[in-house]
Amino acid sequence: NAGVTQTPKFQVLKTGQSMTLQCAQDMNHNSMYWYRQDPGMGLRLIYYSASEGTTDKGEVPNGYNVSRLNKREFSLRLESAAPSQTSVYFCASRNRGRDEKLFFGSGTQLSVL
Amino acid sequence: KNEVEQSPQNLTAQEGEFITINCSYSVGISALHWLQQHPGGGIVSLFMLSSGKKKHGRLIATINIQEKHSSLHITASHPRDSAVYICAVSGGGNQFYFGTGTSLTVIP
Repeated sequence: NAGVTQTPKFQVLKTGQSMTLQCAQDMNHNSMYWYRQDPGMGLRLIYYSASEGTTDKGEVPNGYNVSRLNKREFSLRLESAAPSQTSVYFCASRNRGRDEKLFFGSGTQLSVL
Repeated sequence: KNEVEQSPQNLTAQEGEFITINCSYSVGISALHWLQQHPGGGIVSLFMLSSGKKKHGRLIATINIQEKHSSLHITASHPRDSAVYICAVSGGGNQFYFGTGTSLTVIP
């Protein structure tokens, strides 16, 4: 049982390049999230998916797209990277109910030059 | 205004000390989570609270729904407790609100 698997761990991009961050969970969770973490700020929601095939914008969606093709996988795409997107990105999933819990991937440190 | 405020922002303690980290929130919630993030590491969930108190080893978390306040206590602190502790609340929908974290350093 791997939990939430997120790749890559590190990435350096040049301005204007594109990339996709991959995330998969094996816990059969419906809810999945993409966050970015910047110094001095709390985790900020980029996009979330309440179930397979549905996605919704969070607090900071500009410059990002997401895809939830199946229940396991939720990917985040940067179409044209900008220096303002330099950040640490976390994917998360959530089980709901009495024992609600958040499960996070190990994070992706992205630098855009 | 942040929906979730944590205090203190930074905390340094001697090994063995009793530590308290506070979280206040301004929104209605269905659950409050305490998370731990080690330097350069991922984020792990410590507790989920909807009322009362929970204990896990040396960690104790309490919540006062009426006062919209939660505390995380660490008894007999140890250097391995050094981490950032993050408070997060969920309002019953799909989104969470996160505090900016409390950075704890425990000195041997």
